[in-house]
Amino acid sequence: NAGVMQNPRHLVRRRGQEARLRCSPVKGHSHVYWYRQLPEEGLKFMVYLQKENIIDESGMPKERFSAEFPKEGPSILRIQQVVRGDSAAYFCASSGLSGGGYEQYFGPGTRLTVT
Amino acid sequence: GEDVEQSLFLSVREGDSSVINCTYTDSSSTYLYWYKQEPGAGLQLLTYIFSNMDMKQDQRLTVLLNKKDKHLSLRIADTQTGDSAIYFCAEIYNQGGKLIFGQGTELSVKP
Repeated sequence: NAGVMQNPRHLVRRRGQEARLRCSPVKGHSHVYWYRQLPEEGLKFMVYLQKENIIDESGMPKERFSAEFPKEGPSILRIQQVVRGDSAAYFCASSGLSGGGYEQYFGPGTRLTVT
Repeated sequence: GEDVEQSLFLSVREGDSSVINCTYTDSSSTYLYWYKQEPGAGLQLLTYIFSNMDMKQDQRLTVLLNKKDKHLSLRIADTQTGDSAIYFCAEIYNQGGKLIFGQGTELSVKP
């Protein structure tokens, strides 16, 4: 995975709480992607960010979910007022450039459980 | 459209070849990818192929692309028990950064 770091690895939240998931891309990478994997399913694209910009958020639910990638620090995926259906593995990937032919390196994921 | 399809399960014996198939719908896809996911882990990029290629070989892995039929396959030669994992094919959507994944094929290698 070439050094993408995600934390926490496991996160338990009660319904109604907020979840914050962090992703530190490979050093020097300025493109970050978030994907969600529901149990027994493939990965679904959520959002693509560059530093301080959201490039494509076509996969983000319209409410409660937000993402940022500030000039300094990790990318954050924030889920407000979590519900049981948010339980999933959330993966972050980074690349040095965007578009085809540029590998997206994945982190180990954050497994969110909503009780 | 955005749709990538894979068969869900494949079981082979150690030492045999495995062939995992995938179909996609976005004819503008320029790159197609194969990722491997072991239990509880993230995704590891195995290989990718550019759409103007028919075949790419990398050690035990052979990727075949039939662009006319939008069909992609991954062949693993001399499959080992350590190859047991879920394999995802993915296409880059509309030449941007978004990857569209198939549902994954669970490969089981029996000794």
